[in-house]
Amino acid sequence: GAVVSQHPSRVICKSGTSVKIECRSLDFQATTMFWYRQFPKQSLMLMATSNEGSKATYEQGVEKDKFLINHASLTLSTLTVTSAHPEDSSFYICSARAGGNEKLFFGSGTQLSVL
Amino acid sequence: GNSVTQMEGPVTLSEEAFLTINCTYTATGYPSLFWYVQYPGEGLQLLLKATKADDKGSNKGFEATYRKETTSFHLEKGSVQVSDSAVYFCALGNDMRFGAGTRLTVKP
Repeated sequence: GAVVSQHPSRVICKSGTSVKIECRSLDFQATTMFWYRQFPKQSLMLMATSNEGSKATYEQGVEKDKFLINHASLTLSTLTVTSAHPEDSSFYICSARAGGNEKLFFGSGTQLSVL
Repeated sequence: GNSVTQMEGPVTLSEEAFLTINCTYTATGYPSLFWYVQYPGEGLQLLLKATKADDKGSNKGFEATYRKETTSFHLEKGSVQVSDSAVYFCALGNDMRFGAGTRLTVKP
């Protein structure tokens, strides 16, 4: 099946620094990518939807200036957590979908810990 | 907007017990419905889906029927195994709204 690679799997950073998370579709062209945040034992919270070549659509309550999303190519989307704070510590997951296909393929997630 | 309400867990069952995890939805139109599963230490993966009313999705012994009249998509399995222990998520539509997830633990 299709593969989505998410990197890094785990990152620890100091408060105030920025962290970039990459999401790549390895064997298909992902016209749409989704970014989620998952708190322990809770559901996936959709943060934003990104379509290749256009600005991401953010969910209500998600700060677009804090969570920068770039989907510059059909195989790569990045999420940058800017000026990270301890409350940003969470598990971030991306998923990707090829055009016209409803099936989503998920990355393995990134555990972000902000000290 | 679209939303999904999922049965809260955790659910603990003995092996070979019958499983039902409830999922109801609110949506405009008739979006596709999905169940995803997240095994311990792994990412989410699609378990089954249904694309229109009365469709039944099935996989690995799990089933769910798209019920328009009750706006539901309950997940069922007749006889669970220890290996079914995981978190199950109901999801909706093109923008993939997820339910809160239900943690299932099956004991031998």
